[in-house]
Amino acid sequence: GQSLEQPSEVTAVEGAIVQINCTYQTSGFYGLSWYQQHDGGAPTFLSYNALDGLEETGRFSSFLSRSDSYGYLLLQELQMKDSASYFCAVRSQGGKLIFGQGTELSVKP
Amino acid sequence: NAGVTQTPKFRVLKTGQSMTLLCAQDMNHEYMYWYRQDPGMGLRLIHYSVGEGTTAKGEVPDGYNVSRLKKQNFLLGLESAAPSQTSVYFCASTGTANTEAFFGQGTRLTVV
Repeated sequence: GQSLEQPSEVTAVEGAIVQINCTYQTSGFYGLSWYQQHDGGAPTFLSYNALDGLEETGRFSSFLSRSDSYGYLLLQELQMKDSASYFCAVRSQGGKLIFGQGTELSVKP
Repeated sequence: NAGVTQTPKFRVLKTGQSMTLLCAQDMNHEYMYWYRQDPGMGLRLIHYSVGEGTTAKGEVPDGYNVSRLKKQNFLLGLESAAPSQTSVYFCASTGTANTEAFFGQGTRLTVV
């Protein structure tokens, strides 16, 4: 089967850096992606890692270690608007796309 | 650009009634997915399709059926709705590279 583990909630202050971790178990791993979801809205894509290493997109970075079945999302220079839920997702053989349970990020002034 | 469109956006059903949720995408994507989202449960995969005419079971398929008769459409059916199917349903699609999923705006379904 497949499963993903991520913390249920994280709190940080404006301007800080926060890291959201994700560990996964899957067969036929193809890539790890991250999504953001604001209350009542649809999830939106943030980043994707197929190979080991760091991918940077503006204030957001994502890291993958396939040997450790582990990845993280790094958010820098936190803003109030970054308060949202963040999901990691694993793409596996056969086209399945499975999501973690989500991490609720609260950014405080 | 419409992207991924779900209809309806809201629906209230009585227990035992049936309904079909429609997902349409205009990006020529191969893969399409149906998820349900409940508080604290994240997005759980119901069924998915890797191409026209194909469907496969996800994590929570019981009580649901799907069809992909046309590449751009993915239908989710509830034959006999139950209160446990009260949820927000999201449809998503990805291209062959399958790196970025695009989501519809969701359908809020209440079964009473």
